[in-house]
Amino acid sequence: EPEVTQTPSHQVTQMGQEVILRCVPISNHLYFYWYRQILGQKVEFLVSFYNNEISEKSEIFDDQFSVERPDGSNFTLKIRSTKLEDSAMYFCASSVLTGELFFGEGSRLTVL
Amino acid sequence: DQQVKQNSPSLSVQEGRISILNCDYTNSMFDYFLWYKKYPAEGPTFLISISSIKDKNEDGRFTVFLNKSAKHLSLHIVPSQPGDSAVYFCAASDPSSSNTGKLIFGQGTTLQVKP
Repeated sequence: EPEVTQTPSHQVTQMGQEVILRCVPISNHLYFYWYRQILGQKVEFLVSFYNNEISEKSEIFDDQFSVERPDGSNFTLKIRSTKLEDSAMYFCASSVLTGELFFGEGSRLTVL
Repeated sequence: DQQVKQNSPSLSVQEGRISILNCDYTNSMFDYFLWYKKYPAEGPTFLISISSIKDKNEDGRFTVFLNKSAKHLSLHIVPSQPGDSAVYFCAASDPSSSNTGKLIFGQGTTLQVKP
């Protein structure tokens, strides 16, 4: 069964460092997303991406965050200068159309 | 942001019995609802969905009921199995985001099914 894959599964970084989280969405999907879940809190929407551009972003997704799809298969989330409060599980998801999203297993980011 | 609420953080049921997970929402414009299941160290997995034009959708052991007037939906699992033990998230799609796929999640309910 096709699945969304994410790397790394866990990244530990120092505050202020840049982090790139990588995702390979399901191949025939058109919509791509990043969500995050801070420990003990809800799964929160960060950004959606369609047709090679951001279609919607949340207030969390400030100038420190960026996404790109550099090669038609990978979908990356970059955090330019990490803060302690960026520590969370980051989930990539994709969908054929809007509606049912397929999630990856997540990348745990720990900022020290 | 409490647009989607799951007021029960946990639920414990006996194997073979019915599990009922509840979800309330505040935005009457929501038109599509989904349930996801999540095991530890895994991403959410889609279970079942319902459009606001329906009041029930069934898929095997899983049934979702939607009461639009009460802004309430529930997930019924019958019969419950130990493998159903997981965190269950209710999610809603906002029509203002219908072309972006943004989902708004509840806090989740941890279901434990005892053998």
